[in-house]
Amino acid sequence: TQLLEQSPQFLSIQEGENLTVYCNSSSVFSSLQWYRQEPGEGPVLLVTVVTGGEVKKLKRLTFQFGDARKDSSLHITAAQPVDTGLYLCAGFRTYKYIFGTGTRLKVLA
Amino acid sequence: EAEVAQSPRYKITEKSQAVAFWCDPISGHATLYWYRQILGQGPELLVQFQDESVVDDSQLPKDRFSAERLKGVDSTLKIQPAELGDSAMYLCASSYRAGVFFGQGTRLTVV
Repeated sequence: TQLLEQSPQFLSIQEGENLTVYCNSSSVFSSLQWYRQEPGEGPVLLVTVVTGGEVKKLKRLTFQFGDARKDSSLHITAAQPVDTGLYLCAGFRTYKYIFGTGTRLKVLA
Repeated sequence: EAEVAQSPRYKITEKSQAVAFWCDPISGHATLYWYRQILGQGPELLVQFQDESVVDDSQLPKDRFSAERLKGVDSTLKIQPAELGDSAMYLCASSYRAGVFFGQGTRLTVV
């Protein structure tokens, strides 16, 4: 059973389009992190959301933590080819740090 | 800027051979993780250390995989014998409080 489900699994869009990636769980998380990973590299931490309902912005990326702290979303405005990569959500369950299933994004020029 | 160091970056080995990966976490980070990642999927936890002690190794295939962190600093993950299905990216991470930081990984190809 996957504790953190991401959707969609794959996404291919044109440059300039907007998109949203979802990270859902039936369990409550004290915080969730979002990472971007490029081929052949380790995941790079983008943001941590801690408070239910919290919204954080990182340039064209907007992250939201659900009110119940069971889900999170990542919205990208006017996607660019540099946004291409694998997006992962992650969080601690008891003492384990677990990852979501991943969303592979490709932004076409 | 402090970072998690891993070596080698790439490793090609023949099946049934032994292979080892090394990780040096960020200084002061007591928790160290080893993950395995299949292409396009999220990383799966293999083993987690708190200082030199194993906190969780429930997903580590112990018949062929071993991990140690003898002095509570750097760590080694070993596979013996390697199998074709072990081809993957092996990631090391370390954490302090809620921040988890990853190395660049070792890409293992078993032929």
